[in-house]
Order: sequence, then C-alpha cells, then structure tokens
Amino acid sequence: GQQVMQIPQYQHVQEGEDFTTYCNSSTTLSNIQWYKQRPGGHPVFLIQLVKSGEVKKQKRLTFQFGEAKKNSSLHITATQTTDVGTYFCAGPNAGNNRKLIWGLGTSLAVNP
Amino acid sequence: DGGITQSPKYLFRKEGQNVTLSCEQNLNHDAMYWYRQDPGQGLRLIYYSQIVNDFQKGDIAEGYSVSREKKESFPLTVTSAQKNPTAFYLCASSPDTLDEQFFGPGTRLTVL
Repeated sequence: GQQVMQIPQYQHVQEGEDFTTYCNSSTTLSNIQWYKQRPGGHPVFLIQLVKSGEVKKQKRLTFQFGEAKKNSSLHITATQTTDVGTYFCAGPNAGNNRKLIWGLGTSLAVNP
Repeated sequence: DGGITQSPKYLFRKEGQNVTLSCEQNLNHDAMYWYRQDPGQGLRLIYYSQIVNDFQKGDIAEGYSVSREKKESFPLTVTSAQKNPTAFYLCASSPDTLDEQFFGPGTRLTVL
C-alpha cells in the first residue's frame, strides 16, 4: 500500500546548527502537509505545498516539494530550543478513500 | 473562541471496562478524525468521518467504535475488545478530509 516515509527518525543538534527532515512517498502526491508536535502537545499545522518544485519559507523554516511531487523536505536554519518537537509530513491517499497518509515523524532535540 | 475540545485530559479505567472519549468542535468542519499515538510513535488513524451520520474505519479500528450524530461531536468508545488501550488519543477536524487538520489537546487513557 501507499507509504509516506520520513528520515531521520531522530535528530539531536546543538543550538544554532541547521536541521533537515525528509519525507518520501511511494506515490505521487497532489499536495503535502507538514505539522509540528511539541513534547506533550498535539500536532499543529505548519504548511501545505501543492506545486511541483514549490519552496515556501516561514522565518527560519524552509519547505520544499520535489519536482516529481514524491518527496519533500523541511529545513530549519540555526535551530533554537523552541524548535524541539516532532515534525510530521502527510499526503493524500492515492486511492478512493479520501484521507491523509502520515509519516512516522522526525523527533528533533536541541541542546542549548 | 473556535476550536476542538477533548475531555478529559487524563482518564483511568479498569481492564474490561468500556470508556468513551469526548470530542467537540465549533469550527463548522465536516470531517472529523480519531488518532492513536503511542510513545515515540506516529499517528495511527482509528476512525474518520467525512460528514455527519457517516464514518469509515481507519487503519486500527478493531476494538473501537464511533458515532457522528451531530456535526460538532465525534465520540470514540474504547471497548473491552481493544487489547492494548493505554495510549494518547487525539481528535482532529478539517473542512474536508484532505484539508489542513486541527487537533484537540488529546486524552491520555490508562487502563489498569
């Protein structure tokens, strides 16, 4: 079945270092969504990418959608302790069931 | 103040008892979802509803039941048939099933 994979599963960085998480789908996606879940909290929507090759920025966060619309990345420049959490990507199911397929997430830890 | 509410935040039950988790939204969203999250794990879809009076099984529906009698409400019952019910349960809603999802704060269920 359709899968959305994220790598790495965990990442530990020093504050100020950059961080990147990658999301790869087994099928072409019409769009991709990114969410952040702080420890002990609930997922919060960050952004949706729709166009092939699209790049969007939110302050220190840069989101990219691959040309083939099968992969995406989230890059954080100069991490801060407030970036700690788990980052999930999700894309629409290619089948008849209209639902999102979620990646397992990348957990980011930041050493101050 | 619009949003999704889940109650209670923490819930303890004895093994063999059914328990119902509450989820209410005042966002006027058609779609609602229930996810289960285990420590260090991603989001696993239990049930979802595209519209009132309709719902579909997700990936791990066994041992759970739902109803969608009102647009605002999507309660989840964890039955005694669920083998390992201790987990963090998240409810979400969205305008449509492929749109950005808004999550409630979650309920941590512990079965003793």
